Amino acid sequence: EAGVAQSPRYKIIEKRQSVAFWCNPISGHATLYWYQQILGQGPKLLIQFQNNGVVDDSQLPKDRFSAERLKGVDSTLKIQPAKLEDSAVYLCASSLGSGANEQYFGPGTRLTVT
Amino acid sequence: GENVEQHPSTLSVQEGDSAVIKCTYSDSASNYFPWYKQELGKRPQLIIDIRSNVGEKKDQRIAVTLNKTAKHFSLHITETQPEDSAVYFCAATPPRQLTFGSGTQLTVLP
Repeated sequence: EAGVAQSPRYKIIEKRQSVAFWCNPISGHATLYWYQQILGQGPKLLIQFQNNGVVDDSQLPKDRFSAERLKGVDSTLKIQPAKLEDSAVYLCASSLGSGANEQYFGPGTRLTVT
Repeated sequence: GENVEQHPSTLSVQEGDSAVIKCTYSDSASNYFPWYKQELGKRPQLIIDIRSNVGEKKDQRIAVTLNKTAKHFSLHITETQPEDSAVYFCAATPPRQLTFGSGTQLTVLP
């Protein structure tokens, strides 16, 4: 089966600019996650969707980050305006359901903010 | 929320030796404990997981043990090989959110 797809793979922007990332989960996976992974750290959950509804966005910096999952399939994560500390790899993952289900990760988008 | 601590942060072993990575968690409601392997520049991939109703699980050279009373779980890799070199992350999930540890850089020396 096809895995989780993400684009772009790399992005370099200047601070205060905006950027958007796209994710296409594994077909049939109801749950979609966006993680931020700063170099040398474990992934940190930003937002979790169940179908097209938000389950958890407690760690999403809502003043600059937004995400949506239209029609319960693809998802986009946007940062506006970007800060230097947003430099990280943004990982999308999906699973059949929430909780105790294996999460499958995409290749990630490496964001560099200069 | 859940807090997961992982030790050690770096681990070097000789090829053929065993490696052990330990994690503790804080939320007694956590019931699923996966381990992910992440090679440099690649995505995290699940290598083994354990649920709270099981104390130990083994898959070839990899095993995981869980002590619910003490709230800790460990990854054991036996007969290590150079291709085992990577960053390993433990994680724990209460009913909804997966929380990752900070990672262990494992280096297997030939």
